[in-house]
Amino acid sequence: NAGVTQTPKFQVLKTGQSMTLQCAQDMNHNSMYWYRQDPGMGLRLIYYSASEGTTDKGEVPNGYNVSRLNKREFSLRLESAAPSQTSVYFCASSEAGQGDEKLFFGSGTQLSVL
Amino acid sequence: GENVEQHPSTLSVQEGDSAVIKCTYSDSASNYFPWYKQELGKGPQLIIDIRSNVGEKKDQRIAVTLNKTAKHFSLHITETQPEDSAVYFCAAGRTGGFKTIFGAGTRLFVKA
Repeated sequence: NAGVTQTPKFQVLKTGQSMTLQCAQDMNHNSMYWYRQDPGMGLRLIYYSASEGTTDKGEVPNGYNVSRLNKREFSLRLESAAPSQTSVYFCASSEAGQGDEKLFFGSGTQLSVL
Repeated sequence: GENVEQHPSTLSVQEGDSAVIKCTYSDSASNYFPWYKQELGKGPQLIIDIRSNVGEKKDQRIAVTLNKTAKHFSLHITETQPEDSAVYFCAAGRTGGFKTIFGAGTRLFVKA
């Protein structure tokens, strides 16, 4: 079982470029999440999808869009990257009915915006 | 907004000693308090959690305590080992909710 798989692992962008971070889980979880991790700030929720077909904003959604492609996949898109979006991005999932209890995280995408 | 404060930001202990990490939360409606361990280059992994109807929970060398009145909760690691070296995050959320708030993290070093 792979768990939560994120691609790519590393990415360097120029200001204004766009990109999509991909995430897939094989645990049949209902809920999926995107977090960003910055030094001294812990993990902050960008967007989440409580179930297939729904998405909602988290704490820091500005500059991002998401797509819940199916039950397995949840992507994060940066339309016009800014240096403030330099961060480590984590995708996570959780079981049906658990809300965000017992989150399972991927290994992260390190993004640098120059 | 709601927040979770975590202390200390860095903790260095000798192998075999105990380590304690403390957190406070602001949302009175929080009733679920997980702790995650993040090793270098990996995503956070849940190591223990506690609910508001319980004051203490133990799992081998780790224990968590919760003081709901004071809005404090703590992680205790006894007999620390080098493999305990990692970043630890506390968090506070609500059962069935989707917006768990994380603390800023504690980097634990266990010296052999």
